[in-house]
Amino acid sequence: DAGITQSPRHKVTETGTPVTLRCHQTENHRYMYWYRQDPGHGLRLIHYSYGVKDTDKGEVSDGYSVSRSKTEDFLLTLESATSSQTSVYFCAINGGANVLTFGAGSRLTVL
Amino acid sequence: GIQVEQSPPDLILQEGANSTLRCNFSDSVNNLQWFHQNPWGQLINLFYIPSGTKQNGRLSATTVATERYSLLYISSSQTTDSGVYFCAVWSSASKIIFGSGTRLSIRP
Repeated sequence: DAGITQSPRHKVTETGTPVTLRCHQTENHRYMYWYRQDPGHGLRLIHYSYGVKDTDKGEVSDGYSVSRSKTEDFLLTLESATSSQTSVYFCAINGGANVLTFGAGSRLTVL
Repeated sequence: GIQVEQSPPDLILQEGANSTLRCNFSDSVNNLQWFHQNPWGQLINLFYIPSGTKQNGRLSATTVATERYSLLYISSSQTTDSGVYFCAVWSSASKIIFGSGTRLSIRP
């Protein structure tokens, strides 16, 4: 088992507030990813990381920032949440041999 | 960039039926994965299959990389097979593109 933990699993917040989602892995894999899933859009990449302090943008990165200060943790931050960021957020790791494994997801509602 | 198309978008079957889901992609890829998203939202890796054929119980997958498509076969469907099936193609470790999925509903 890949050992990916996302927190919080559910969050309701108000427009304009900051939100941070955490992804924690137990196996020191190099690549980590944040996706969002919305009806009609499937899974879209927000940001990814290829090592400590090494991150890059995905296709829907506007309004999001990430940080990776330790191999095991990849944080996704919404500096000022908007209703369009209501979504389910999935963290994933590349567990070697280019096999993607997902966490359980974090459901975020922005009122 | 690479385009990924899955068909059909929706499929409703009776328990016990067989089904074939298709994933077409527009360029050569390094890897392809099939996922099942169950009704609780969990994304489960089914196959890692850049080419060839693999089988796991009632499920099997075939990727023909030279013709840029992959097929997922489900035999003797069960209600627990319901959910959305996604294919994802890799052109590199940072470029992973998902199809829009096939929603499968198995009726008892």
